[in-house]
Amino acid sequence: DTGVSQDPRHKITKRGQNVTFRCDPISEHNRLYWYRQTLGQGPEFLTYFQNEAQLEKSRLLSDRFSAERPKGSFSTLEIQRTEQGDSAMYLCASSSDGLEGYTFGSGTRLTVV
Amino acid sequence: DAKTTQPTSMDCAEGRAANLPCNHSTISGNEYVYWYRQIHSQGPQYIIHGLKNNETNEMASLIITEDRKSSTLILPHATLRDTAVYYCIASSNTGKLIFGQGTTLQVKP
Repeated sequence: DTGVSQDPRHKITKRGQNVTFRCDPISEHNRLYWYRQTLGQGPEFLTYFQNEAQLEKSRLLSDRFSAERPKGSFSTLEIQRTEQGDSAMYLCASSSDGLEGYTFGSGTRLTVV
Repeated sequence: DAKTTQPTSMDCAEGRAANLPCNHSTISGNEYVYWYRQIHSQGPQYIIHGLKNNETNEMASLIITEDRKSSTLILPHATLRDTAVYYCIASSNTGKLIFGQGTTLQVKP
């Protein structure tokens, strides 16, 4: 296992379009997290899953954002009707029980034009 | 989760020890201190964590004061590749970590 994989690495989309990102966590990790990071800021928590259950969502996550982890393995993050303010790096991380460190992916950089 | 305070930036000479401080004066008894770093354009990387005792691994040492209100991350022999943003986070095992703005460490030749 080579770690947490995110796809695509880069995405440029027009305002108003929908986008979907995928995250493949480390296979034995049951927790999966999504973060968003803008330039010069630390990562902001968006949501997290334990297995297939979405246990917490940040208030930052508007109704245009939805995340799923249907079989407790990979996860998708969809943004509907993208806005320029959605431009950011979207990071996925996984962990086994939350006590040990997270392993982050390299992120998906979204640019909304 | 307790708020942490870190200096915005620090410099260190290559080959010397880098000592990165963090204040977490409101930390509660069940909260761990975590350190991550983020090299430009990559995802954050876990470094080390601890509760009360000092910890050491192949990357760094973590020194936590007896009252747990502050800690120091030590990179014993800093290299240019250690140039990164270092995040100190106080968190219980509730499922999420809250990142601040971290300390930008610049290792200079």
